[in-house]
This record gives sequence, C-alpha cells and structure tokens, in this order.
Amino acid sequence: EIVLTQSPGTLSLSPGERATLSCRASQSVTSSYLGWYQQKPGQAPRLLIYGASSRATGIPDRFSGSGSGTDFTLTISRLEPEDFAVYYCQQYGRSFLTFGGGTKVEIK
Amino acid sequence: QVQLQESGPGLVEPSQTLSLTCTVSGGSISGGDYYWSWIRQPPGKGLEWIGYIYYSGSTYYNPSLKSRVTISVDTSKNQFSLKLTSVTAADTAVYYCARAITIFGVVFDHWGQGTLVPVSS
Repeated sequence: EIVLTQSPGTLSLSPGERATLSCRASQSVTSSYLGWYQQKPGQAPRLLIYGASSRATGIPDRFSGSGSGTDFTLTISRLEPEDFAVYYCQQYGRSFLTFGGGTKVEIK
Repeated sequence: QVQLQESGPGLVEPSQTLSLTCTVSGGSISGGDYYWSWIRQPPGKGLEWIGYIYYSGSTYYNPSLKSRVTISVDTSKNQFSLKLTSVTAADTAVYYCARAITIFGVVFDHWGQGTLVPVSS
C-alpha cells in the first residue's frame, strides 16, 4: 500500500497569496497517477487535477499540479476567497488507491 | 450532467449490516469506461476508498475492508449498492458514491452529496 503524506497540515494565508501544498508518497506513484481534490465544509470533494498536472473540466488556471515519482505539489497561484478549503491528494496503482490526510488552507 | 444520489438507513446498530444504494441519473451506468465507487469519511477526518465496481460486475476492494464489503450493480435500475457487515462505531462516516474515470489511472470526477451513517445502539 502506498501511503500519501500531505504537508503542511494547515496553511494560513491571505487572499491573493500563493499556496504551495505538498504530497509525498511512500513509494513511486505509477505513471504519475495522482489526483488532487478540493473539499469545502459540508460538501463532497471536487476533482481539481488528474495525472499529476492536468486540470479537470472547469477548474481555473490558478490551480496547477506538478511532480513525479514520490513528490507532488499543488499550487494555487493567487488565492481567491472561495479557495479556502481542505485539499486531498489521491494515487492509483495496481487496482488499489489511497488518499492523503489532507491540507487545510485557512484565511490568515 | 451525471448526478449520483445515495440512499439508505440513517442509523445502523453495531454488529449489523450497513446497506446503501447509489442512484445514477443523467447517464447510463453501463455506458463508458467508468468504475462506480464508494468512499467514506469519518467525521472530521480524511477520505477512505472502500471499493468500486465495473458495470460488468468486476469489483475491486480496499484490502483493509475486503472481508466485510460487497459492492453490486443493477444496470436495469441504474443503481449500485454497498453492503458492509459487522459494523462498529469506527464505521460511522459520511458515505459517498462517486464515478471513477480511467484517465491517468483512476480519479473521481462526479460525487454524490454523501450520507452520514452513524453506527450506534
């Protein structure tokens, strides 16, 4: 089982600032099969990024993903008020998948 | 636009079986290369993949839950279902059904709103 560790646990930033979220895997992630999700309170998660760097339909270009192997990053270039939420990474490999523990982006 | 909706009992007693159904609308459960999935989230905690099923009936389960989980599909009703046996308080969670797309691995592009299932006597 691949364990995904997200850091930091909480990120306190102001609107307009840049957010950099990390997702580290315990083993290399197959072919960059890594996704990122955003979850707001009381809502289901929303897919942001798949394949480590491809934006899902309708996702603004201020969201970008990068990385390969065991280290992946989600960057939000300029935080908008609606971006304050919890973010999860998720990997897929050998018919099995896992989620990271999440990073909360809160308003400073 | 595909929509998913969970339904089932609002409360389950310890040692009993948790049963949920997901109804898919706006698209056929048999159409496309999709896996129909269950994911759960204990209150205040992170996401845990439970398993998924292909419309043909092929299933894949989280090894940590495999002995207690069954996912089935009813293509005639455009529904798929989850059964989790011998539940304990640790199974209390919001249960989501979701559609998984097989693009760059497997990711979940459409989700139900989720249903909270407390396990309590």
